[in-house]
Amino acid sequence: KAGVTQTPRYLIKTRGQQVTLSCSPISGHRSVSWYQQTPGQGLQFLFEYFSETQRNKGNFPGRFSGRQFSNSRSEMNVSTLELGDSALYLCASSPGRFWETQYFGPGTRLLVL
Amino acid sequence: LAKTTQPISMDSYEGQEVNITCSHNNIATNDYITWYQQFPSQGPRFIIQGYKTKVTNEVASLFIPADRKSSTLSLPRVSLSDTAVYYCLVGEGDDKIIFGKGTRLHILP
Repeated sequence: KAGVTQTPRYLIKTRGQQVTLSCSPISGHRSVSWYQQTPGQGLQFLFEYFSETQRNKGNFPGRFSGRQFSNSRSEMNVSTLELGDSALYLCASSPGRFWETQYFGPGTRLLVL
Repeated sequence: LAKTTQPISMDSYEGQEVNITCSHNNIATNDYITWYQQFPSQGPRFIIQGYKTKVTNEVASLFIPADRKSSTLSLPRVSLSDTAVYYCLVGEGDDKIIFGKGTRLHILP
């Protein structure tokens, strides 16, 4: 099976812009989770989608949003970018309950200037 | 919140057995304990998961005492390629997962 894929792999934006990241889970996986990783804060959970519904949400501002499509593919959107949003954004998929084994993608590295 | 505490870093030598302990004092009855490995600029990779006692797979063992307030990841005969960050996770009852800071393991030749 193909692994989790994320696009784009690298992205440079300026403050105030918005960005959309995409994640394609492993075929058959219905749960998709998003994480932000920074050197200072480590890996932080953003949200999780299951069958097109947001099932869990971390402690991030409303500028961070996401959605999941009927084919389980997911997108994450960050509006009004801030310098502190520079990070590696990771997507993970799992078959069902998201605390079961998660399979991570390679991530999208976002740089906000 | 079932927060986890791990050593920030550890050094070991090739061929040695490495044990990384994670504390999770507030673990809930339904929580599983999961360990992930992460190399630089890559997503974490699942290593092992357990609920109680001992679990072993082809790459590691996980020891969980009866009170489940801690767990120990054991890596047998490590090599240079095991240099990575290791995360201990505990699944909370409301399904929120918290990654701690992880343990930076450095294997020396």
